Amino acid sequence: DIQLTQSPSFLSASVGDRVTITCRASQGISNYLAWYQQKPGKAPNLLIYGASTLQSGVPSRFSGSGSGTEFTLTISGLQREDFATYYCQQLNSFPRFGQGTKVEIK
Amino acid sequence: VQLQESGPGLVKPSQTLSLTCTVSGDSITSGAHYWTWIRQHPGKGLEWIGYLYSSGRTYYNPSLKSRVGISLDTSKIQFSLSVTSVTAADTAVYYCARGSAFMGIATWGQGTLVTVSS
Repeated sequence: DIQLTQSPSFLSASVGDRVTITCRASQGISNYLAWYQQKPGKAPNLLIYGASTLQSGVPSRFSGSGSGTEFTLTISGLQREDFATYYCQQLNSFPRFGQGTKVEIK
Repeated sequence: VQLQESGPGLVKPSQTLSLTCTVSGDSITSGAHYWTWIRQHPGKGLEWIGYLYSSGRTYYNPSLKSRVGISLDTSKIQFSLSVTSVTAADTAVYYCARGSAFMGIATWGQGTLVTVSS
């Protein structure tokens, strides 16, 4: 039973900052990982799949990397609309989510 | 493609929660995607409930498997969720969504809040 652990759970950042969120899997999952953004009261929005493939329409300031057990989501040049909660999800047969990382304005 | 959840917003404890997701703009039988339910407890993270392909292959979260069922109604272009013997712990926003194998979940319904209370 593979678990995903995100860190940090909360971070405070300023517009223009470079932000990195980490997702660690309890077992290797190759590159079967996705990242989502969720704003209050809204459904999640797919940002990245395959650990590093940007979903169509997602701004290029979002990027993903990693393989195996450690993955990162990077936002290069945080914009006001990026303040939200971010989730990773494994993409194998049991697609659980990480616990989330809330990005707030400093 | 659009997805829309429907169903009662209030369910009594020990009863069965039943929700339907109506799909527009896609063939629910194409086999290219899977159809899934995800929930979010108030103020908490996302919990995957289960999913199925049009072939009938289903996968459920082991922690919910004994109480959950997901089915397709191809004639109505809908898929459904049932959760039996609900408790207050089943109070959540329930999302239906469409995913692709190894490509994540790109299409979501708006979500519907279900409260379990007497």
